[in-house]
Amino acid sequence: DVKVTQSSRYLVKRTGEKVFLECVQDMDHENMFWYRQDPGLGLRLIYFSYDVKMKEKGDIPEGYSVSREKKERFSLILESASTNQTSMYLCASSPVGQGGANEKLFFGSGTQLSVL
Amino acid sequence: GQNIDQPTEMTATEGAIVQINCTYQTSGFNGLFWYQQHAGEAPTFLSYNVLDGLEEKGRFSSFLSRSKGYSYLLLKELQMKDSASYLCAVRGPPMNRDDKIIFGKGTRLHILP
Repeated sequence: DVKVTQSSRYLVKRTGEKVFLECVQDMDHENMFWYRQDPGLGLRLIYFSYDVKMKEKGDIPEGYSVSREKKERFSLILESASTNQTSMYLCASSPVGQGGANEKLFFGSGTQLSVL
Repeated sequence: GQNIDQPTEMTATEGAIVQINCTYQTSGFNGLFWYQQHAGEAPTFLSYNVLDGLEEKGRFSSFLSRSKGYSYLLLKELQMKDSASYLCAVRGPPMNRDDKIIFGKGTRLHILP
């Protein structure tokens, strides 16, 4: 089974802190994604990456950056955390080139981040 | 712009059938996914449609009409464990390996005994 592992299930940080959310997948997937999920707003794409050292902005990249130094690892960075970044963060990965449903997303368990 | 609409909440009775609709307006289309998400858990894949028509998988079926920008998820013989959120997601066309998947806000389904 594909496994997408997020380093923390719950995280509490203070306003202004630099926050790192780590995600590792074990299936050699090319694509990796970071979403945040908020009540009433659903899943919103922050950043994604289709290759090592490549990154693309999603719909809400402001206040975030990402790093993909190795294929299996995709990190989300909050340079200076703010209270409006309190949310559930979900990492996902997907393969490329297998076509159709085989390119579905596999999600990690999520990190509930609270910024105080 | 990109927009995916689905009802916020629905309620159905155990053993019954429920249809969850999804309409989308996106800049390009390369497949539609349905995911199930139980409270506090990660979304899990249910179904995929890229051509018009019905895809059946056990108790769950998904339908797509590309000309209408419309899909539905049909759940039969409802069980209590089907109480969850159901997420509709659309993938845009690949351009320079730009393969975004955009989600609707999800439909929370409540099953009554």
